[in-house]
Amino acid sequence: DAGVIQSPRHEVTEMGQEVTLRCKPISGHDYLFWYRQTMMRGLELLIYFNNNVPIDDSGMPEDRFSAKMPNASFSTLKIQPSEPRDSAVYFCASAVGVPGQPGEKLFFGSGTQLSVL
Amino acid sequence: AQKITQTQPGMFVQEKEAVTLDCTYDTSDPSYGLFWYKQPSSGEMIFLIYQGSYDQQNATEGRYSLNFQKARKSANLVISASQLGDSAMYFCAMREPNTNAGKSTFGDGTTLTVKP
Repeated sequence: DAGVIQSPRHEVTEMGQEVTLRCKPISGHDYLFWYRQTMMRGLELLIYFNNNVPIDDSGMPEDRFSAKMPNASFSTLKIQPSEPRDSAVYFCASAVGVPGQPGEKLFFGSGTQLSVL
Repeated sequence: AQKITQTQPGMFVQEKEAVTLDCTYDTSDPSYGLFWYKQPSSGEMIFLIYQGSYDQQNATEGRYSLNFQKARKSANLVISASQLGDSAMYFCAMREPNTNAGKSTFGDGTTLTVKP
């Protein structure tokens, strides 16, 4: 299994530009999560999907952020317009299973290092 | 609200020795899950071990074990026979009840350095 695949690995952009981060979850996983990691705030859950449907987007910082999951094998996180304070590592993760069942765990992608200048 | 506390920003251990990374949590829900993840300098997050709140025995995964003390609300990670490759950031996380593993609250992490 290839694991969770994220692209690009690194993204450098200028303030005001649109940024799109991509994620391919592990086949068969019915949950997909977007996390953001910064030194100041640590790991924060932005949004998660179950069976391609957004379940909780309460962590999305503001309207500039949007996420979609058009099918079971692809998701995007878009920032428009981007700002320097959006600079962070963005992780996509997928999971399967019923909460509380043995073996429940999260599989993370390698992350996208975003720098907004 | 749930909270995870990792009080050790950094830890050092000699190669081949055991080390304990502390984690305390706070929740009013009787059902929850606790996780530990490893983040090497390369940046990826790697699942290490899981403990359910109703599990009677402490979880173990190879050289990793979880010292679960429910009454004290602690879930310390024990790494036995440390290796140089264990040098990384370690995160403790707690899953909210009735949700999948991903909707978790993470601690601030502990940086572990293994000395040769």
